[in-house]
Amino acid sequence: QVQLQESGPGLVKPSQTLSLTCSVSGGSMSSGGDYWGWIRQHPGKGLEWIGYIYYRGSTYYNPSFQSRVTISIDTSKNQFSLNLRSVTAADTAVYYCARGEGWGRVWGQGTTVTVSS
Amino acid sequence: DIQMTQSPSTLSASVGDRVTITCRASQNINEWLAWYQQKPGKAPKVLIYHASTLESGVPSRFSGSRSGTEFTLTISSLQPDDFATYYCQQYATYSGTFGQGTKVDVK
Repeated sequence: QVQLQESGPGLVKPSQTLSLTCSVSGGSMSSGGDYWGWIRQHPGKGLEWIGYIYYRGSTYYNPSFQSRVTISIDTSKNQFSLNLRSVTAADTAVYYCARGEGWGRVWGQGTTVTVSS
Repeated sequence: DIQMTQSPSTLSASVGDRVTITCRASQNINEWLAWYQQKPGKAPKVLIYHASTLESGVPSRFSGSRSGTEFTLTISSLQPDDFATYYCQQYATYSGTFGQGTKVDVK
């Protein structure tokens, strides 16, 4: 069974780039047909879809993040990544990675990222 | 952008109750809707996708339906493990908008 695990810095300074990686285990990303996404949840609040990537590299971003987000994939490492540029305190949230085409069939446990100087 | 209006925001119920949660889309999203359950400190878990398809392993007391732009999640007989927050999500567009959530708590 596929499992996902997020990793990355828990603290990022304002105006810098938030970078997270999602490691996939229990299956090969290069076997094909899968989409991989990022979602976030502000403390005590609802969920926000950031974007997702097809295993061949096509990306699909929420227009709210389009100008400052990049999602990439490295199937040889069974990983995909999120880069969110020019962060502010409003980007403080729990970040989840997930498998699914625009919706989350399998989720990681989430990682908390705080934006603060 | 598509807005998802979920109601109620809080629902108090007892074990054995039939529970209904509604999500209304601001425009047509066809069947592109998922329902999730989230418990405190945990990631969401998908219950239903494509509006009415039950995810593998999810108890059959959960069901989803669609009428136009209105979607419903029904729990036929509430169990102790079902007290949680539920979210709908549209995936007809890349914004993937979620509803605001419905917390189901003990009456």
